[in-house]
Amino acid sequence: DAGITQSPRHKVTETGTPVTLRCHQTENHRYMYWYRQDPGHGLRLIHYSYGVKDTDKGEVSDGYSVSRSKTEDFLLTLESATSSQTSVYFCATSVQGVSYEQYFGPGTRLTVT
Amino acid sequence: DAKTTQPTSMDCAEGRAANLPCNHSTISGNEYVYWYRQIHSQGPQYIIHGLKNNETNEMASLIITEDRKSSTLILPHATLRDTAVYYCIVRVVRSSNTGKLIFGQGTTLQVKP
Repeated sequence: DAGITQSPRHKVTETGTPVTLRCHQTENHRYMYWYRQDPGHGLRLIHYSYGVKDTDKGEVSDGYSVSRSKTEDFLLTLESATSSQTSVYFCATSVQGVSYEQYFGPGTRLTVT
Repeated sequence: DAKTTQPTSMDCAEGRAANLPCNHSTISGNEYVYWYRQIHSQGPQYIIHGLKNNETNEMASLIITEDRKSSTLILPHATLRDTAVYYCIVRVVRSSNTGKLIFGQGTTLQVKP
């Protein structure tokens, strides 16, 4: 498995505060993804990156922004957290977009109160 | 992308083969079948994928029907650690891919002692 870490692993924050989640990989994979997982909705793609400084929206991107200044790091930012963003967030990587063989991180559990 | 249909849940006795079906009757000729699983509280894990031929790796076997409208993931000797949600995903693989995965609800496999 690709060495993928996510930080923090757990976070509780208040409505309206900014939050940044970090995904770090050590495998030099080109593609990185942010998903959220909620009961009844399964995994949904938020944003993805196909290279340094190259990002695009997924199916549930409203309220989220991302940045990728280095191959190994992909940041997800909630500019002003809302209770609807309480979720488990997973980061994933793949060697190339051609294959759908993705490697997932351990997840970050975010609670917005 | 073709829609997939999986049973909501299945049980399997420990040590027996677990056969997880997936229906993808609208699959097109250039769409691959991918399988992932998610063990409770962990990130999803890639299992196997295939196009037409049956595939086998150290984790599982994938049997695709000749008309490609359905497939079966086989875990040959299920253990308690195989208890998880299993996702069947159908996607086109091409050079312009961004690798975005779309997860459905999956099948919850419960392996019982």
